[in-house]
Amino acid sequence: GAVVSQHPSWVICKSGTSVKIECRSLDFQATTMFWYRQFPKQSLMLMATSNEGSKATYEQGVEKDKFLINHASLTLSTLTVTSAHPEDSSFYICSASRQGGLYGYTFGSGTRLTVV
Amino acid sequence: KQEVTQIPAALSVPEGENLVLNCSFTDSAIYNLQWFRQDPGKGLTSLLLIQSSQREQTSGRLNASLDKSSGRSTLYIAASQPGDSATYLCAVGDQGGSEKLVFGKGTKLTVNP
Repeated sequence: GAVVSQHPSWVICKSGTSVKIECRSLDFQATTMFWYRQFPKQSLMLMATSNEGSKATYEQGVEKDKFLINHASLTLSTLTVTSAHPEDSSFYICSASRQGGLYGYTFGSGTRLTVV
Repeated sequence: KQEVTQIPAALSVPEGENLVLNCSFTDSAIYNLQWFRQDPGKGLTSLLLIQSSQREQTSGRLNASLDKSSGRSTLYIAASQPGDSATYLCAVGDQGGSEKLVFGKGTKLTVNP
């Protein structure tokens, strides 16, 4: 089955530093990757959609300069949280799809970011 | 704008019970519908994917149905086990080609031994 690997699973960083999260599709080529944020006891909030080789499309209210997304290949997308602050602490999850979502969506295991 | 609602928000049942989780959506023009489970602090695990042209899908003790015209889907879990305890999320795929998923808020299931 389709597998998406997300790293790191958790990270603690100091306020003002940047953190990069990787999302890889291991056994399929992901034409589209998605980044979500999840607050405690809430559902997923879509942050942005990225297609390989093109700029990410951000959802309303998401700061593109703070959350940098790069989708350099069909198997790798990265989310960089720049100049992180405590309010950026959250659970970030990526997902990947192929052929326009025909085969559904596969999610990574998530990254718990804590900014101190 | 598509909205997805899941009822109930939480459910607690004794082990062995059969149960039904409900999902409703406001726009019937969907591409597909997917059920996921999420364990605390973990990512999402796909359970069942139903294409818009399908009526149901089955995997083991799980059966998901889809009634597009009424905007409803149900996830049936047979002979529930404590290991089934998790949050179950229903997500609808957009037919418009954006590939976006719209999620419900989930049903938190607790199966008591």
